[in-house]
Amino acid sequence: ILNVEQSPQSLHVQEGDSTNFTCSFPSSNFYALHWYRWETAKSPEALFVMTLNGDEKKKGRISATLNTKEGYSYLYIKGSQPEDSATYLCAFWGAQKLVFGQGTRLTINP
Amino acid sequence: DVKVTQSSRYLVKRTGEKVFLECVQDMDHENMFWYRQDPGLGLRLIYFSYDVKMKEKGDIPEGYSVSREKKERFSLILESASTNQTSMYLCASSLCRGACGYTFGSGTRLTVV
Repeated sequence: ILNVEQSPQSLHVQEGDSTNFTCSFPSSNFYALHWYRWETAKSPEALFVMTLNGDEKKKGRISATLNTKEGYSYLYIKGSQPEDSATYLCAFWGAQKLVFGQGTRLTINP
Repeated sequence: DVKVTQSSRYLVKRTGEKVFLECVQDMDHENMFWYRQDPGLGLRLIYFSYDVKMKEKGDIPEGYSVSREKKERFSLILESASTNQTSMYLCASSLCRGACGYTFGSGTRLTVV
């Protein structure tokens, strides 16, 4: 069974602060790593799909890095805003399916 | 705007009932998936399909079946609903396997009483 771990499980951050969280995944047979944002009462939305070791992706104030050799990815949010409050999910593609971590629940305090 | 549409947002069913959860996508995607989400457990894969008429078991298929008669429609069936199937169910589709992001529906919150 593929194991994808995210930490921390939840995080409270002051508006304007920057933050980051971690996704750990199996380092063997890597194919792709996904990040999603899931806001309350909405559908999960794809942020990034990363396939290459050392890959860095950016979307506005959100960026992600990937280390496939050691099996981790970081998601960074710069200058947090209230609209960044959401659960952030990472998912590892392995054995022909996408396996999700439990998510990091981010709350931005105004 | 591309969409994955799930037929019901909230559903309440009785134990033992046969339940159909419908999912339709308008993106001509080959790949479709059913997940359930429970607190502390993340999204868990129930069934998936990489082609019409094709279906594969995910990690937690027990108590479920699926139907994919047309490319755009992927139905999840609870043969005899039980209280431990109370959950949020999410349908998703993707253009390719692995390296393509998934597009999710808005979810169906099913309560079995």
